[in-house]
Amino acid sequence: DIQMTQSPSTLSASVGDRVTITCRASQSIVRWLAWYQQKPGKAPKLLIYEASSLEGGVPSRFSGSGSVTEFTLTISSLQPDDSATYYCQQYHNYRTFGQGTKVEIK
Amino acid sequence: ELQLVETGGNLIHPGGSLRLSCAASGFTVGNNFMSWVRQAPGRGLEWVSVIYRDGATYYADSVKGRFTISRDNSKNMVYLQMGGLRVDDTAVYYCARDPDSGGPGLVWGQGTTVTVSS
Repeated sequence: DIQMTQSPSTLSASVGDRVTITCRASQSIVRWLAWYQQKPGKAPKLLIYEASSLEGGVPSRFSGSGSVTEFTLTISSLQPDDSATYYCQQYHNYRTFGQGTKVEIK
Repeated sequence: ELQLVETGGNLIHPGGSLRLSCAASGFTVGNNFMSWVRQAPGRGLEWVSVIYRDGATYYADSVKGRFTISRDNSKNMVYLQMGGLRVDDTAVYYCARDPDSGGPGLVWGQGTTVTVSS
């Protein structure tokens, strides 16, 4: 089974900061990686698929990069509405989620 | 507008069975990869099952042999038949248009709650 490890588990940043979340796969997943945002009591919302493709309607401050085993989600200028938990998911071999990264606004 | 609506969640005793339904609109389930994902209270996301465009099905080890995913193309519905339910199956269950379908429009439903308790 492919394991997905996200870091950090939590982060606290100020409005306007550049924020980066990392996701590492235990083996190559090529570029079959998605990123989701989840707010409390709500369903997850897809942000990025195929490592770097922005889902429709998602603000351009969100971007994804990486390949093989190392991937990042970047928020170029953190906004108050970005306070949420973020998950990565591989879909190269079955599917596996990372454990999540909680982003808080200072 | 692309939309998924799950129904069927309930309070059920351990060992019982339940069928969840997912109604799709704005796209055809038979032309897509469709997944079920669950989230136990206070926990992260756990992938449960996927059905491919060609009808192939795959399951997480935690539910293999107990859960069955299926679809009805004529009704544009996806189902999750759950049997041998355990307390640790308690979760919100989400239906999702799987990212293997290719974007954009990779929507999730609002979720349906399954509680397994005696």
